[in-house]
Amino acid sequence: DTGVSQDPRHKITKRGQNVTFRCDPISEHNRLYWYRQTLGQGPEFLTYFQNEAQLEKSRLLSDRFSAERPKGSFSTLEIQRTEQGDSAMYLCASSHLGSGNTIYFGEGSWLTVV
Amino acid sequence: AQSVTQPDIHITVSEGASLELRCNYSYGATPYLFWYVQSPGQGLQLLLKYFSGDTLVQGIKGFEAEFKRSQSSFNLRKPSVHWSDAAEYFCAVGPTSGTYKYIFGTGTRLKVLA
Repeated sequence: DTGVSQDPRHKITKRGQNVTFRCDPISEHNRLYWYRQTLGQGPEFLTYFQNEAQLEKSRLLSDRFSAERPKGSFSTLEIQRTEQGDSAMYLCASSHLGSGNTIYFGEGSWLTVV
Repeated sequence: AQSVTQPDIHITVSEGASLELRCNYSYGATPYLFWYVQSPGQGLQLLLKYFSGDTLVQGIKGFEAEFKRSQSSFNLRKPSVHWSDAAEYFCAVGPTSGTYKYIFGTGTRLKVLA
């Protein structure tokens, strides 16, 4: 396994711009999660996909946030009209039935909104 | 609602000393419990997990944790800390009933003195 891959690792954007993050899960993992982590806090759940279906979304995921997993493999998380409060690390994780209930995280994508 | 509490925000120990990081959870059924470690700017790495069976579980890097149902606790321990163990440690429970999400504590930052 090559692990969960996230791109870009760092993104600095101006307020009001749109940003997109990509996540490639571990091969064969059909479950994919997005989390957000701010400084000094634990990861907070954003959304969950099983294959291509988005089965759960947090109330934290405002209308400016959208996530997709079109073919059940990689996923994208887009933030429209970014605000300074969106500055955080966005973590992707994946799992599959064979891994029990263990989720494996990527290295994260840091977003700074200036 | 399900929750995870890590009472200690910061812990400082001397290299070679023993370590215990506390984790308490609130969950009605038998939980799936995890400990992850995070180095600065990095993603989360799984240390160990508890699903069922033996309440003392062994993990990587010499860590172990004990599940105590009566105390709703899952404390992480290491008999002798190394300088490389300095990092942030997160306890998590999930997936919780009626949802796919994993809930994380706010973390304990470990500092190791030489």
